[in-house]
Amino acid sequence: GDSVTQMEGPVTLSEEAFLTINCTYTATGYPSLFWYVQYPGEGLQLLLKATKADDKGSNKGFEATYRKETTSFHLEKGSVQVSDSAVYFCALSEDGGSQGNLIFGKGTKLSVKP
Amino acid sequence: NAGVTQTPKFQVLKTGQSMTLQCAQDMNHEYMSWYRQDPGMGLRLIHYSVGAGITDQGEVPNGYNVSRSTTEDFPLRLLSAAPSQTSVYFCASSYFAGQETQYFGPGTRLLVL
Repeated sequence: GDSVTQMEGPVTLSEEAFLTINCTYTATGYPSLFWYVQYPGEGLQLLLKATKADDKGSNKGFEATYRKETTSFHLEKGSVQVSDSAVYFCALSEDGGSQGNLIFGKGTKLSVKP
Repeated sequence: NAGVTQTPKFQVLKTGQSMTLQCAQDMNHEYMSWYRQDPGMGLRLIHYSVGAGITDQGEVPNGYNVSRSTTEDFPLRLLSAAPSQTSVYFCASSYFAGQETQYFGPGTRLLVL
């Protein structure tokens, strides 16, 4: 079945460092891809998404490009801030319209030190 | 607009007890779902619904029951709680599944002793 694999954490960076969190997927159809973020004590919220190959999702300085040839959707940010400390989840939506449930990776915890 | 609300925020149960986790949304979303979040496991889908009167099983449905009598509400019932059901439970909703953004509630932390 469809699956998502993302890099293990935790990731610890200094403020203003460059961030990459790797995400690869396995899917039989043409899924949509998402990054969700979970701040401490809160539910998940959408960070960005891409619905077809070569699309780039972006939000709050974060970017990810849907790469069909490498089945990847890596999350990047040029300069992280302390406020970016959170758990980041890569997810795909199974192809198939209204039956497209989300499949999540295991999450990567990011800690940014001042 | 309250978004997705969940009650209670925290609950302690004894093995064998039953309870209902409440989830409500005020965005007129057709699709609603329940996930559980466990350390190192990410989020796993328990049950979902594509509209009132329609429910289906996700990846880990055993021990849980759902119904969807209205568009707004999607309660999750634990029939006989077990320690393996200790987890954080999230409800989510969207207009449809697929490409749509899902909106998550704040979660219910459940401890089964």
